[in-house]
Amino acid sequence: YELTQPPSVSVSPGQTARITCSAHVLAQQYAYWYRQMPGQAPVLVIYQDRERPSGVPERFSGASSGTTVTLTISGVRAEDEAVYYCQSVDSTGTSVVFGGGTHLTVL
Amino acid sequence: EVQLVQSGAELKKPGESLKIYCKGSGYSFSNYWLGWVRQRPGKGLEWMGIVHPGDSDVIYSPSFRGQVTIAADTSLNTAYLQWTTVRASDSAMYFCVRRGDGYRLDVWGQGTLITVSS
Repeated sequence: YELTQPPSVSVSPGQTARITCSAHVLAQQYAYWYRQMPGQAPVLVIYQDRERPSGVPERFSGASSGTTVTLTISGVRAEDEAVYYCQSVDSTGTSVVFGGGTHLTVL
Repeated sequence: EVQLVQSGAELKKPGESLKIYCKGSGYSFSNYWLGWVRQRPGKGLEWMGIVHPGDSDVIYSPSFRGQVTIAADTSLNTAYLQWTTVRASDSAMYFCVRRGDGYRLDVWGQGTLITVSS
């Protein structure tokens, strides 16, 4: 995968989860984040690094710094347990690229 | 409501041909790029390619170029993903997805499960 994510992150309920995504291309291109629950299609939760689609709770936020973007989930709940994928565009600007996914475990 | 509805699960034998489809509704189908994503069991998301229904322009991911055909029919508001011959390694869930502003993938189909087994 062209975008590098940690395979797993674990947090206790009510705490803050931070999931990172790194790649050189992220210094020039926006990042997008998706949540995928078991057996379901992914859902967009953050676009253009830090924007939240309507209907996504304010607990979800995004940030960008150089070649790393971060998805932050504040006040984590049991239902936030899922796999989170970052996405951007390749260096040619023509093809979508995904990170390998991060499994968020709520302890 | 904007939605993408995909065709049902398929069970195929190696060497058979296959076409799956994705029907859009609730928006101007011709004006939005529509992509395909592969997800093998227990694995991550892989970008396959994208079609612009309005002019039939297709951009394939290098990994999938020559392996599949992507097309769209605006008269039916439907996009297609096609294989000439399937292999066991093609067994996976396939999602269609609308590309919104920028490169956000804002609407996803429910997925089509393909199983290739002799």
